[in-house]
Amino acid sequence: AQSVTQPDIHITVSEGASLELRCNYSYGATPYLFWYVQSPGQGLQLLLKYFSGDTLVQGIKGFEAEFKRSQSSFNLRKPSVHWSDAAEYFCAVGARAAGNKLTFGGGTRVLVKP
Amino acid sequence: DGGITQSPKYLFRKEGQNVTLSCEQNLNHDAMYWYRQDPGQGLRLIYYSQIVNDFQKGDIAEGYSVSREKKESFPLTVTSAQKNPTAFYLCASSREGTGTNEQFFGPGTRLTVL
Repeated sequence: AQSVTQPDIHITVSEGASLELRCNYSYGATPYLFWYVQSPGQGLQLLLKYFSGDTLVQGIKGFEAEFKRSQSSFNLRKPSVHWSDAAEYFCAVGARAAGNKLTFGGGTRVLVKP
Repeated sequence: DGGITQSPKYLFRKEGQNVTLSCEQNLNHDAMYWYRQDPGQGLRLIYYSQIVNDFQKGDIAEGYSVSREKKESFPLTVTSAQKNPTAFYLCASSREGTGTNEQFFGPGTRLTVL
């Protein structure tokens, strides 16, 4: 069975500083990987996704993520954080062999200091 | 505008009562999903449906039921058998149920059992 781990429950970052959120997955074949963002009390919005090809993917809101097969990781990065980036971020993995299900990590809550 | 609507936004229920959460999409998506979100636990899949008149249990289906009589609608009933129903419920849909495609999320329903 596939699984996703987000090791950091909370991260606090100063506005303008860089941000990196960690995601590790467990799956035997090539996974499909996603990052979603959730503002308080809202649904989830897709930031970016990886299916194949270039391992560095660009997303919305200035986010990017890099797929590293050797480390089973898909870390999310942003060079300069804005106050509006304060939210909860979820990494998810899907796979054709697993049908249509996505498995989500526990989430990382990002707080932005002025 | 296309999207997913969930109603109501807030729902209060007395113990022992069944309650139905609504989910409607006008994206012409085949697959629909229900997730439960609790603090620190990410999203857990309750039920999913890849096509009309068919649905499968997810990881935490006990105490829940669903129907899929129309492509655009996937209501979730939280029954009195669900021991701890207070949570945030999210509905999602995707273009095809392969796990490769982005899941679009509704705004969620917060259920509180009094």
